[in-house]
Amino acid sequence: EIVMTQSPATLSVSPGERATLSCRASRSVSSNLAWYQQRPGQAPRLLIYDVFTRATGISARFSGSGSGTDFTLTISSLQSEDFAVYYCQRYNSWPLSFGPGTKVEIK
Amino acid sequence: VQLVESGGGLIQPGGSLRLSCAASGFAVSSNYMTWVRQAPGKGLEWISVLYSGGGTYYANSVKGRFTISRDDSKNTLYVQMNSLGVEDTAMYYCASAVEREHAFDIWGQGTMVTVSS
Repeated sequence: EIVMTQSPATLSVSPGERATLSCRASRSVSSNLAWYQQRPGQAPRLLIYDVFTRATGISARFSGSGSGTDFTLTISSLQSEDFAVYYCQRYNSWPLSFGPGTKVEIK
Repeated sequence: VQLVESGGGLIQPGGSLRLSCAASGFAVSSNYMTWVRQAPGKGLEWISVLYSGGGTYYANSVKGRFTISRDDSKNTLYVQMNSLGVEDTAMYYCASAVEREHAFDIWGQGTMVTVSS
């Protein structure tokens, strides 16, 4: 089973700065990777799928990159509503799985 | 387009519970539907999927205990959960992948299941 890891566990960023989140798979997941945002008390929200395709309605502040085993979510110019937990998810094989998450907090 | 879960609550270890997820604005029968759970203070755990064609997959942690199904006439997704343990305590979300298969773009608000004596 492919294991997903995310780093850092917590990222402290000032509003207006750039945030770079990492996701790593223990084996290649090709381009079958998505990113989600979860604000406190809310359901997750799909941000990006297929590594870099933004879901409908998602701000261009969010961008994804990578391939194989190493992936990055970049949030340019953080806004107040961007402080949340971010999860990566692979869907190349069963069972599907999520990474443990990165919490982006206000510095 | 909306998903609304129900059926959560407090249940004793070893008990059973059925969660429902009512969809509006789209057909569960035509889309890839899934359940994801989140233990208190923890991350997301995928647990089951139901394809439009009826195929299913389960996480190892629930295989043999949970059954995913749907009622097309009610446009509702279900998960029957048996032999519940304290480790099943979590918020249970249903979700659908409409824009891209396997990437979940529609989520319900969740229903909480607490397994405790």
